Amino acid sequence: AQTVTQSQPEMSVQEAETVTLSCTYDTSESDYYLFWYKQPPSRQMILVIRQEAYKQQNATENRFSVNFQKAAKSFSLKISDSQLGDAAMYFCAYGGSNYKLTFGKGTLLTVNP
Amino acid sequence: NAGVMQNPRHLVRRRGQEARLRCSPVKGHSHVYWYRQLPEEGLKFMVYLQKENIIDESGMPKERFSAEFPKEGPSILRIQQVVRGDSAAYFCASSRVAHGTGNQPQHFGDGTRLSIL
Repeated sequence: AQTVTQSQPEMSVQEAETVTLSCTYDTSESDYYLFWYKQPPSRQMILVIRQEAYKQQNATENRFSVNFQKAAKSFSLKISDSQLGDAAMYFCAYGGSNYKLTFGKGTLLTVNP
Repeated sequence: NAGVMQNPRHLVRRRGQEARLRCSPVKGHSHVYWYRQLPEEGLKFMVYLQKENIIDESGMPKERFSAEFPKEGPSILRIQQVVRGDSAAYFCASSRVAHGTGNQPQHFGDGTRLSIL
């Protein structure tokens, strides 16, 4: 079974600075997808960015980028130029050969003005 | 283009009552997934349904919980005789194709927060 581990329960960053959230996972599959979801206080689940395992190039979406290290099974999220609206719980998730998304326990990000 | 619609947004029930949670998928999506989020936890898979079929209910408790996705109308997650431990946020997601993970990612609703008194 796949597992997803987020080792940082909480992180904080100053507005306009950069922060990196860590995620590691365990799988025996070779083809899969990885995701970062953002959950603000409103409790919506918002897809931030996704990475296909067979692509070596790291995904980027505006201020959000990932560092995907397939051999190390690591998938970190970098948020550049942090904004107050980035404050939320961030979940790393794995999607493999079946339809079940496996989520980590989350990292609560605080952005300080 | 409406996303996944879940209602109610908040639901309060007393112990022993029934809770019915509704989910209308994105138009054109015929695959629905239910997840549960306990406090301080990530989402955990409960059940995967296609129209009129339960494909995988391995994450759903065997007692008191049931789910359906009829030919017409929303998907329903039903919890009978609720207990305090059922208090959680329940999220529905949908996808256009099966195995909705990568290219056809699952779109999530805003969730239903169930509170048991």
